[in-house]
Amino acid sequence: QKEVEQNSGPLSVPEGAIASLNCTYSDRGSQSFFWYRQYSGKSPELIMSIYSNGDKEDGRFTAQLNKASQYVSLLIRDSQPSDSATYLCAVNVGDSNYQLIWGAGTKLIIKP
Amino acid sequence: DARVTQTPRHKVTEMGQEVTMRCQPILGHNTVFWYRQTMMQGLELLAYFRNRAPLDDSGMPKDRFSAEMPDATLATLKIQPSEPRDSAVYFCASGAYRERETQYFGPGTRLLVL
Repeated sequence: QKEVEQNSGPLSVPEGAIASLNCTYSDRGSQSFFWYRQYSGKSPELIMSIYSNGDKEDGRFTAQLNKASQYVSLLIRDSQPSDSATYLCAVNVGDSNYQLIWGAGTKLIIKP
Repeated sequence: DARVTQTPRHKVTEMGQEVTMRCQPILGHNTVFWYRQTMMQGLELLAYFRNRAPLDDSGMPKDRFSAEMPDATLATLKIQPSEPRDSAVYFCASGAYRERETQYFGPGTRLLVL
């Protein structure tokens, strides 16, 4: 059974601090990794994709990938109340085209 | 502004009725996914299509659910007969080979079966 695991939270972070969200996956054949943000009552929205080991930065967001440890994380710098949402980690199924395995999501709360 | 569209956005129906949900993928995308999301189960893959051909529908209850893609601009998900346990948000997502496995979600259909 291929799995993606996330801490469900809620993770409470003060405004302006760094929020750190973590995800582990079981399929060693996975090559594509994604972070989606989902506001309450809305659909998942792509934030970051990462395909190579190391860090990838986009504005206040940094995705980190460590394939040896089967670990991917998302850092949000200078957290804003508007970052309060559920963050979903998704990983491709290594032996299948296009299919993603989804984590259950981490609820992030940014406290003003 | 390319987006996945879904109709209806909300549906309230009575147990036993047929429900049809529609999805228009982003133009040029060749892969379409149907997901169901509930508080208890999270995001579940029901079925997906590539170039209009069904690749996997193992996540769907076969006796009541069916998914089709009659043309490249329309995907449908039908439930017949509907049951209260089908109450959930149903999302359609689309993707393209050139964007690897990136999926773009529609706004969802919020279904309530009474």
